[in-house]
Amino acid sequence: KAGVTQTPRYLIKTRGQQVTLSCSPISGHRSVSWYQQTPGQGLQFLFEYFSETQRNKGNFPGRFSGRQFSNSRSEMNVSTLELGDSALYLCASSLSQRKNTEAFFGQGTRLTVV
Amino acid sequence: GESVGLHLPTLSVQEGDNSIINCAYSNSASDYFIWYKQESGKGPQFIIDIRSNMDKRQGQRVTVLLNKTVKHLSLQIAATQPGDSAVYFCAENIGGSQGNLIFGKGTKLSVKP
Repeated sequence: KAGVTQTPRYLIKTRGQQVTLSCSPISGHRSVSWYQQTPGQGLQFLFEYFSETQRNKGNFPGRFSGRQFSNSRSEMNVSTLELGDSALYLCASSLSQRKNTEAFFGQGTRLTVV
Repeated sequence: GESVGLHLPTLSVQEGDNSIINCAYSNSASDYFIWYKQESGKGPQFIIDIRSNMDKRQGQRVTVLLNKTVKHLSLQIAATQPGDSAVYFCAENIGGSQGNLIFGKGTKLSVKP
């Protein structure tokens, strides 16, 4: 069974641009969460989607947004990129929204803002 | 590979020894905890979890201990192997759903052959 697939793996953007990252969850998984990982702040929760609805949102500015499609694939978008947005963006999928459900992470998208 | 933390606490152990990685969590209302392992260039990988109504849980070569009184978690790895070298994160879940995990800063485990 294929794991969580994130595309692209690497991305370089210029300040002020916008970017869209994609996540395909494991087949059958309906819950998708996004995290930002930086050396300074570690892993921080961005948002969680289930059945095309945002269920939880972390403490990030409105420039960060996301969505989930009917096939459970998810995208996140960052507008007006800042240098500080450079990070590894990780997506995790799980079978359900229930708390004790194991989350499987993708390899991440490494975003560099110059 | 990916650098997941430039100034992480590091634990260096000899192959075959036991490793103990500690984590202090922040919220006394957290009721579900998970340990993840992250190797260079990869996303975090689930190791073991524990609910707050337990104080110990064992897996294959790993044991998690939970002390709610002092809000402390530990991960014990028996007979540590070179393949265990990675960054280890604890995560707590306070919300009602699977998402919204609060991760610790991580500990880098280095296993010497």
